[in-house]
Amino acid sequence: AQRVTQPEKLLSVFKGAPVELKCNYSYSGSPELFWYVQYSRQRLQLLLRHISRESIKGFTADLNKGETSFHLKKPFAQEEDSAMYYCALEGSNYQLIWGAGTKLIIKP
Amino acid sequence: DVKVTQSSRYLVKRTGEKVFLECVQDMDHENMFWYRQDPGLGLRLIYFSYDVKMKEKGDIPEGYSVSREKKERFSLILESASTNQTSMYLCASTSSGVLGYTFGSGTRLTVV
Repeated sequence: AQRVTQPEKLLSVFKGAPVELKCNYSYSGSPELFWYVQYSRQRLQLLLRHISRESIKGFTADLNKGETSFHLKKPFAQEEDSAMYYCALEGSNYQLIWGAGTKLIIKP
Repeated sequence: DVKVTQSSRYLVKRTGEKVFLECVQDMDHENMFWYRQDPGLGLRLIYFSYDVKMKEKGDIPEGYSVSREKKERFSLILESASTNQTSMYLCASTSSGVLGYTFGSGTRLTVV
């Protein structure tokens, strides 16, 4: 079955500390994975996608097929990173399979 | 440069009312989606459409229907609103999944 798991509902770290938001997936083929972010009172938006191998706002995510993971990382957290983060996997017909989300709180 | 517009930001409706949520996109996307977003449950797909007049059920279609008469507009209909349909409703569109979805700002519906 296709599934995305984000084991942490809430993650709280201090400003300047490293951040890692975990995402594990279950998929039989070659996965297309995404991270979306929703800042307070803003619309949900694409943060990055594995196919682009990009770094956005200092965040990176590496696909680990052996561990079926796509963790989101940032070496030094900033207060403006506080948001809700969703990991998603593309299924058939461009449908996305979503994780339950992780609320990231950056403490000053 | 708003690209996906949801007609209402907040709605309060009574139990049993018929509710229409409208979504319009100006990017000529073929694929449009309706989700509900609830804390701890993430996004759950209600319905999607990959072309005009085409619709497919998502994971939680019960109590909902949709209409797509024009490419740019995808409407979600709650036939008889119930309190358990109180939620944030998100509309999204995409031309190709790898380019990502564009979301509307959401409609927070409260059914009393």
